[in-house]
This record gives sequence, structure tokens and C-alpha cells, in this order.
Amino acid sequence: NAGVTQTPKFRVLKTGQSMTLLCAQDMNHEYMYWYRQDPGMGLRLIHYSVGEGTTAKGEVPDGYNVSRLKKQNFLLGLESAAPSQTSVYFCASSSDRVTEAFFGQGTRLTVV
Amino acid sequence: ELKVEQNPLFLSMQEGKNYTIYCNYSTTSDRLYWYRQDPGKSLESLFVLLSNGAVKQEGRLMASLDTKARLSTLHITAAVHDLSATYFCAVGDAGSGSRLTFGEGTQLTVNP
Repeated sequence: NAGVTQTPKFRVLKTGQSMTLLCAQDMNHEYMYWYRQDPGMGLRLIHYSVGEGTTAKGEVPDGYNVSRLKKQNFLLGLESAAPSQTSVYFCASSSDRVTEAFFGQGTRLTVV
Repeated sequence: ELKVEQNPLFLSMQEGKNYTIYCNYSTTSDRLYWYRQDPGKSLESLFVLLSNGAVKQEGRLMASLDTKARLSTLHITAAVHDLSATYFCAVGDAGSGSRLTFGEGTQLTVNP
């Protein structure tokens, strides 16, 4: 099983550019999440989804948008990248709100 | 707002020694998780704790939960070098659906 797969793994953007990060899971999980990880701050939830067609804001949603058109995919979009969005982004999925989440390998994004 | 504090944030210990990492949280929670992260890697689930008094053990690691004290501990017994990693606790607010709040992480180094 591939589990949770993130694409791309690395990306460098210029300020103002846009991009989409793709997360795909093959475990038939209902819940999917996008986190960002910054040094000394643990992981912070950006957006999440509790099922196909649903999305909700997390702790730090500003500057990001998401879509969950298919159950297995969760897309994170940056419409106009800023240097403050330089971070490592992790996608995760879980079968419900209680069972543990499984994480992807991360995407290292640098905005210059 | 749920706040999660881990201590210590940095821990250097000798092989064969015992130590405990603490995770304190500020509001009522119905679930707590421990994750491990190796440098540059994803997060791996270690334990899921769902009730007061829950204790789980895997190898040299044992986690416990005291919901009345809003405290979880991760105890390391007879540390070995392979346990060197960053350990995160993540807490679910009982009233916030599927959102988790992560601690800052404890960076553990086990020296020969």
C-alpha cells in the first residue's frame, strides 16, 4: 500500500506565484488534513475535510484554499505565494475523528 | 483555545538511562496521540490514548494519560540510540470535531 502520497516533494516559488499541492490516499479514509510544520512550532492545521465534498478551516487557513472533489484526493492551493508560506507541508488522513492519522512524506516549499 | 505544552523541548540522554517526556494541555480532551518524527521524514503514530488512566507500551516506550490532570507522559526505558527522534503529542479538543493541536515536539538524542 502506498498510504498517503504527496506531490511534489520539493518546490521553489517566487512571491506571487500560485501552485497546488496534491495529496492522495488509498486507504478509503473519510478524514483528510493539511498541516504546516515550522521550526519550534510543531504542526499547525491549515484546512481539513471530513468527507468528499466537504472542507473546513483549521488553525491557520489564511492564504490557502482546498478542495476535496474525490474521496481519495485533497488539494491545497496557494493563490499568491508569500515568503511567510515557506514551510514543510504535511497531508494526513484518518478513517474517523478518533483513530490515528497517517501522514504523507511532506512537501518542502520555499517562497523567494 | 486548546494549548499543548511539551517538556522538555530538548533532551540528551545516555544509552541505558530512563526518562520521561511530559505533555500538558489546557482544556478538556477526549483523545491524545503520540507521534515520532525522524529528521526530514514523516510522522509515525506511536500511541492513541482515549480514556483516563489509559496506558500503552511498545518496546522501550510507554505512554499514559491522566485526563483529570490534563497530562500525558511518554516514558523511555533503557534508551538506545535508535530512539533518537522528535516526539510530538497531539491533543483533540472534545468540542472541536476532528481538529488536533500539536505540541512543539521534544527532540531526543540518545548518546552511546
